[in-house]
Parts: sequence; structure tokens; C-alpha cells
Amino acid sequence: QQQVKQSPQSLIVQKGGISIINCAYENTAFDYFPWYQQFPGKGPALLIAIRPDVSEKKEGRFTISFNKSAKQFSLHIMDSQPGDSATYFCAARGGGNKLVFGAGTILRVKS
Amino acid sequence: EPEVTQTPSHQVTQMGQEVILRCVPISNHLYFYWYRQILGQKVEFLVSFYNNEISEKSEIFDDQFSVERPDGSNFTLKIRSTKLEDSAMYFCASSRDKGTQYFGPGTRLLVL
Repeated sequence: QQQVKQSPQSLIVQKGGISIINCAYENTAFDYFPWYQQFPGKGPALLIAIRPDVSEKKEGRFTISFNKSAKQFSLHIMDSQPGDSATYFCAARGGGNKLVFGAGTILRVKS
Repeated sequence: EPEVTQTPSHQVTQMGQEVILRCVPISNHLYFYWYRQILGQKVEFLVSFYNNEISEKSEIFDDQFSVERPDGSNFTLKIRSTKLEDSAMYFCASSRDKGTQYFGPGTRLLVL
């Protein structure tokens, strides 16, 4: 019940295309859902986050869609660029403020 | 922009040795965390720390591990009697409140 399931494992998108990464959770006590971007050899960096009382949040080319009833949320990257190539992790915050991470999606944007 | 820093960036140790991983959280943050990432796997929570005590710890964080805030700026993770399976990237994170956690660049630990 503490898991966050993330798909796909890897994704190849053409430059200018839309990248979509999906996550699902079971624990309804999760109260905050961030997405992190990680480049090789670096720590995860917060990209965008949403709370469960909001269905969508947009920041620049990045949008989170949140479906509370389905317990699913997704990251959309519009106009994907080669510089977006990285590993993306969804996460959910549980008790004690700990983050539970998804398995990660390796995104490659082809120029 | 303030950031979390970690030292060393890489640590190689022999099995059975003790290692101390160091972190300097963002200066006005009150909550501190350690996570680890085994190569190719997801980031896993180890422990959270607030008001000079552990708030929560995972099953991974057994008696082999300990954390300490020895002064006003550092936050350390000590791993006693290291095992091969402790080889991983260890990330420190901090947050001002129970909100956004900011991660450091990590320490890559290799146990031989």
C-alpha cells in the first residue's frame, strides 16, 4: 500500500513531441505528489508538485494531471526538448513526511 | 540559490568498515532526510530527522545506521560495519517545513 507504480520504464520522444509519464498509488493518506527530474550523477531536483485537492497544475511546459478517484497522476512535458532527457520520478508524501518514489522513467528526446 | 551539499562525492570502503557521510542542509531548513538509490533502482527513504531526533525510519534503517546533527550546520549518516549491499548512492535532503524536499548531489558509496 506504500508503493507508487510508475510507467513506462523508458520513453523515446521526438523533439517537439509530448512526453507522458503515469503514476498510480493505493494509499489514500498520501497528501502531496511531487515529480523529480534526475540527470546522471546528480541528485533528484523538484520539477513540479500537486496536492490532491487540485486536478491540474501547469508550470511552463510541464503539467501534472491528478485523478483522485482513480488514484492516478501523470506528468506531461509539452514541446519536449533534448535537454529534457533525464530520469523522471514521481513520488508521494506519506506519514512522517517521507517520500515514496516510483521506479523512474528514463526519457530520451531525439533531436 | 541555496542548495544542499554533501561530502564526499565518492567513498570506497572495505566491507566491515565504518563510514560517515556528511551533509550540509539549506540553512533555514528544519527537517532533514537520508535516502538511498541502489544503481538502476528507485530512490528509497531511510530516515527523517527533526528537532534533534528521528521522526521516522524505514525497515532499511536498522541498528547498523545512525544519524546525527553534531552542530548547527552538519547532518551525518553513519554506517557501521558496512556490507556489500550497502553500495549505493546516498542522498541527503532538507525541507523548511513539511513541504518541498531539496536533495543534495549524493555520495556514491562503494563497499568492496
